[in-house]
Order: sequence, then structure tokens, then C-alpha cells
Amino acid sequence: DQQVKQNSPSLSVQEGRISILNCDYTNSMFDYFLWYKKYPAEGPTFLISISSIKDKNEDGRFTVFLNKSAKHLSLHIVPSQPGDSAVYFCAAFNSGGGADGLTFGKGTHLIIQP
Amino acid sequence: KAGVTQTPRYLIKTRGQQVTLSCSPISGHRSVSWYQQTPGQGLQFLFEYFSETQRNKGNFPGRFSGRQFSNSRSEMNVSTLELGDSALYLCASSLAPGVYEQYFGPGTRLTVT
Repeated sequence: DQQVKQNSPSLSVQEGRISILNCDYTNSMFDYFLWYKKYPAEGPTFLISISSIKDKNEDGRFTVFLNKSAKHLSLHIVPSQPGDSAVYFCAAFNSGGGADGLTFGKGTHLIIQP
Repeated sequence: KAGVTQTPRYLIKTRGQQVTLSCSPISGHRSVSWYQQTPGQGLQFLFEYFSETQRNKGNFPGRFSGRQFSNSRSEMNVSTLELGDSALYLCASSLAPGVYEQYFGPGTRLTVT
């Protein structure tokens, strides 16, 4: 049973516009959420995180929104740049759960069109 | 600070053989986790080590094992390789268990033929 879901395998956005990547989770015990970016042949790179006590966290062009009641989070990238083309993974963590590692979604391939 | 390093980067093995992968965490990071990435299953947690002890293990058979040394470096071992073990194996380090920010290495691409 997938506890973290990214329902869009791919997303194409024009350069300069906003990219919105979505993620849903089912386990209400998750209390931290992270976004990672991955290029081919490289490991995931940490982008931004949010604690479950917040509903928004911003870092430069990246903003993550968390809606706990809907068990939904989203990553906004504004403005989108060609270098943003990569696979984005949503991950969740249960700090009180005995540390079962990060639970990842299957990723969304973001393509920024020139 | 140097990032997480993994060796080797690429490996080709034959079914039935065993393999050992190595990971050096970021300096000062004492917790090391291992993940398997496959096209079908995505990124899945294998196990986590801290203070030379395995703290948790994901849903993988006993053929997958690991260890951690006193300098926090870690190795994982897969015995009796199967074709389905072909994957990208990623190591991640964090300051300590329960610290959710994990930093990943480039991975080892294992191909089993």
C-alpha cells in the first residue's frame, strides 16, 4: 500500500511560468515532509522541507504548502527555469515511528519547455 | 564539506554471486540509511545504521544486510544475487537518527545478469 503518492508521472511547464507538483499521503503519523530533486545518474538532492505544524515554507523560488486535513502537499517553483528539469520526489517522515527511513512517492518528471 | 560518497558507482554481477557496496557519510553525520531505487517500486528504505547498530530494516529479505564501522562508514551486502536485485542503491546520511533531513550519495548502479 503506497503511503505517499505522486499521481502525475510527468509535468511540462513553460520557462518562466509556475510549476506545481503535488503529493498525497495516507499515514497521519507523518510529521515531516521533504522534496528532493533528482537528475539522471545522480542521487536525490534535498530541496525543501516542512514540518506538520506549519502550512507553508518558502526558500527562494521554492515554496511548499501543506494541507494536513486533506493530507496533501504541493511544491511551487516560481519562475520555472530550464535547470529545474528533473524528477521530483516527495518524501515523508515519522519522527516518532522508530525511524523507518523516508517514505518516498514514485516521483514526477518535470520538463521545463523553453 | 565533502558530500556522501559511494563506491563503486557501477557494478555488474552474475546471478548467485554476492556483492558489497560502500558508503562514506558526510563528516559529522553518524546515521547512515540505505535505499533501493527501481523503476517499478521507486525508492524503498532498506535499513538504517547508527553507532554500528542496525536500528531499522525495511521489507527486504535476509539476503540484504549491512554494517557500520566506528568511523560511521557503512557497507551493505547482497548475497545470492537475483535478477530483480538490479537497481540503483543509494546511501543517505544524517546527523543522527530521527533527523529527517537526509543527504544522498550518487548511488551504485548494480546490474545482475
